[in-house]
Amino acid sequence: NAGVTQTPKFQVLKTGQSMTLQCAQDMNHNSMYWYRQDPGMGLRLIYYSASEGTTDKGEVPNGYNVSRLNKREFSLRLESAAPSQTSVYFCASSDLGLASGNEQFFGPGTRLTVL
Amino acid sequence: DQQVKQNSPSLSVQEGRISILNCDYTNSMFDYFLWYKKYPAEGPTFLISISSIKDKNEDGRFTVFLNKSAKHLSLHIVPSQPGDSAVYFCAASARGTSYGKLTFGQGTILTVHP
Repeated sequence: NAGVTQTPKFQVLKTGQSMTLQCAQDMNHNSMYWYRQDPGMGLRLIYYSASEGTTDKGEVPNGYNVSRLNKREFSLRLESAAPSQTSVYFCASSDLGLASGNEQFFGPGTRLTVL
Repeated sequence: DQQVKQNSPSLSVQEGRISILNCDYTNSMFDYFLWYKKYPAEGPTFLISISSIKDKNEDGRFTVFLNKSAKHLSLHIVPSQPGDSAVYFCAASARGTSYGKLTFGQGTILTVHP
């Protein structure tokens, strides 16, 4: 039982390049989330997916797109990377319906540098 | 607008003593609060939570206190151990928020000295 896995662990891009961050969970959770963590800013929600087939914007969605490929997988795409997107990206999942409160389980993160 | 704030960027304590980490929030709709612990190069891991219907929740060495009137929560670690050295994030969610979205504070770096 691996929990939440993310690939790659590290990535360096040049400005304007594109890439997709992959996330998968094996806990049969309905909801999945993408966050970015920047120094002094905590974790900020980029996009989330309440269930397979649905996605919604979070706090900082500009410059990103997401795909909920199936119940297990939720990918984050940068179409044209910018230096402001240099960050550590975390994927998370939770077993939620419409109620708030259940904890989220996080992956190990992807450290992205955009030059 | 930072709805969840951890005003102390860092805290240093001696092994065996109490660590107190604080968190303030502004959104009165928040009704569930969580603490996460994060080691370097790892993802955050859930530590303890509290619902707004309670004012205290304990789990071993960890206790979370909630003061709703002050919109303040705190995490107490007793006794502190060197392995507790990590970044601690508080997070909050609001009833009616779609699918449990969490709002995080900026984090507090805890260092426990042997």
